[in-house]
Amino acid sequence: RKEVEQDPGPFNVPEGATVAFNCTYSNSASQSFFWYRQDCRKEPKLLMSVYSSGNEDGRFTAQLNRASQYISLLIRDSKLSDSATYLCVVNVGRTYKYIFGTGTRLKVLA
Amino acid sequence: NAGVTQTPKFQVLKTGQSMTLQCAQDMNHNSMYWYRQDPGMGLRLIYYSASEGTTDKGEVPNGYNVSRLNKREFSLRLESAAPSQTSVYFCASSRDKIETQYFGPGTRLLVL
Repeated sequence: RKEVEQDPGPFNVPEGATVAFNCTYSNSASQSFFWYRQDCRKEPKLLMSVYSSGNEDGRFTAQLNRASQYISLLIRDSKLSDSATYLCVVNVGRTYKYIFGTGTRLKVLA
Repeated sequence: NAGVTQTPKFQVLKTGQSMTLQCAQDMNHNSMYWYRQDPGMGLRLIYYSASEGTTDKGEVPNGYNVSRLNKREFSLRLESAAPSQTSVYFCASSRDKIETQYFGPGTRLLVL
């Protein structure tokens, strides 16, 4: 089993739709969680950190479920510019080890 | 404030050639990392430097060496390039462990 698993997609959604991605992790010692966005042939850029209580940034909401060992990302009112690959990243055991998922590809259609 | 910079952006090598990838950050971060990204795989850690003066192996260190030149700079060296090292290489930095990582624009390397 992979340490961090994501559905690769693609998720094809119309503009204005709400879309949600999940990411499961296997190591219960995982401490920090992040969602990154990666555009084609570009570097990953932080979208948001994921806190135990959940957090929201504009149209984006992230949730953490430690009991079931997954994090989620909800995007409301999708824009064409949201088209990208979304990477789930987990830091394990307060170390320098960050485990990256392979990413979920989102295409927002006009 | 440039963040994390990397040079070169692109490189083509022949098998057996050597090269050094350069990385610098201006965020006064303690920790720096080198990753490679291959199709269908998540980013994999090659080496990291927890702080100036220290380096440690990551998940895929074979065929690579690193130098933490000072707090700002962390270089990755391929002593004898192999086709299996064809990849996109990203440098990243963070204030400390478990903190957010910030990435450079990447180096696309092709080994023939």
